[in-house]
Amino acid sequence: DAGVIQSPRHEVTEMGQEVTLRCKPISGHDYLFWYRQTMMRGLELLIYFNNNVPIDDSGMPEDRFSAKMPNASFSTLKIQPSEPRDSAVYFCASSLSRGGLRQPQHFGDGTRLSIL
Amino acid sequence: AQSVAQPEDQVNVAEGNPLTVKCTYSVSGNPYLFWYVQYPNRGLQFLLKYITGDNLVKGSYGFEAEFNKSQTSFHLKKPSALVSDSALYFCAVRDANQAGTALIFGKGTTLSVSS
Repeated sequence: DAGVIQSPRHEVTEMGQEVTLRCKPISGHDYLFWYRQTMMRGLELLIYFNNNVPIDDSGMPEDRFSAKMPNASFSTLKIQPSEPRDSAVYFCASSLSRGGLRQPQHFGDGTRLSIL
Repeated sequence: AQSVAQPEDQVNVAEGNPLTVKCTYSVSGNPYLFWYVQYPNRGLQFLLKYITGDNLVKGSYGFEAEFNKSQTSFHLKKPSALVSDSALYFCAVRDANQAGTALIFGKGTTLSVSS
């Protein structure tokens, strides 16, 4: 079974540009999570979806960040305009809701974003 | 409010020795507890979880963890460390009584196993 797939794996762009990160969750999973990891702040939850509906976006740092999940097999995280302090590794994770809250999350290998 | 603490930023052990990575948690209800491992340039990988039942939980790669309700701890252990166990380890907690809540992750502990 394929795991969570993220693209691109690496992104280098200049300040002010729009950045779009993509995620394909594991088939059948109905929770999807976006995280950001930095040395200073560790692993931060940005937003998560259940059945394609955003449940909690309180971790989204600013209005420059937006996330969508148009269907069960695809999600995007967009930053517009990007700033150097957005440089981080962004992870997507998915999990099953069957069994309640007992299911582990499965992570993709992340997108390493560098804003120059 | 939920929280999880990993009091050690780094743990150093020699290969073949037992290892322990500490984790304490705080939830208002019953906890669901998880351990994850992260290797360089990879995502987090699930190791094991405690939901209910036996306090000693066995997981992948020979790791185990002991749930201690009175001490609100869930320490990760392995009887004999391998150099290949060197990685970043995360403890995470969720309140079983609060529907719809996400996992809360600790800041991570770097495990370094020397040969």
